Amino acid sequence: EVQLVESGGGLVKPGGSLRLSCAGSGFTFSNAWMNWVRQAPGKGLEWVGRIKSKPNGGTTDYPAPVKGRFTISRDDSKNTVYLQMNSLKTEDTAIYYCATGAVFDYWGQGTLITVSS
Amino acid sequence: EIVLTQSPATLSLSPGERATLSCRASQSVSSYLAWYQQKPGQAPRLLISYASNRATGIPARFSGSGSGTDFTLTISSLEPEDFAVYYCQQHSDWYPFGQGTKLEIK
Repeated sequence: EVQLVESGGGLVKPGGSLRLSCAGSGFTFSNAWMNWVRQAPGKGLEWVGRIKSKPNGGTTDYPAPVKGRFTISRDDSKNTVYLQMNSLKTEDTAIYYCATGAVFDYWGQGTLITVSS
Repeated sequence: EIVLTQSPATLSLSPGERATLSCRASQSVSSYLAWYQQKPGQAPRLLISYASNRATGIPARFSGSGSGTDFTLTISSLEPEDFAVYYCQQHSDWYPFGQGTKLEIK
């Protein structure tokens, strides 16, 4: 059974940093493209970035709202993908989900980030 | 940048009725279009990928169609558990979502 478990959420002040983790099991993690998606309270889904598998180059892509502030990395030895978030803004407040694949087949349960002073 | 526009924003129907949800892309996405269902307090669930391929375990009452810029998700006969929010998404190297359609009980 595929499982994705996010962790690392919490309350952070504007301008602060936070690192989220997503641990995967039940699939060949090293071959998986991994994504992060967020959902602000009462709003829709927003893709915040992707890391390809190392066989596919291990490259990352980010949309404009987070480019330069967010960084995705992976440790295949730990079956874990990370989202490093810097220079956080109040508008980054959201539930953050990780999801597998070029099509988002499986999702974690999400972790809440609140950016507030 | 491709923008996905879903319509209607809210759809009010009764169980047993047919639901038709639309997603329009600002430029062609070929068949790289997915649909997700999200219920309150839950993560999204993949329903359809490549415009018309049902994901594993998705009931046959869900079907997707379209290519290029115009896509449709059809639920042939609504069950009580189908009332939720539905999102479309491009899934070709860049992954924008539509703003969602809320399917509510009439």
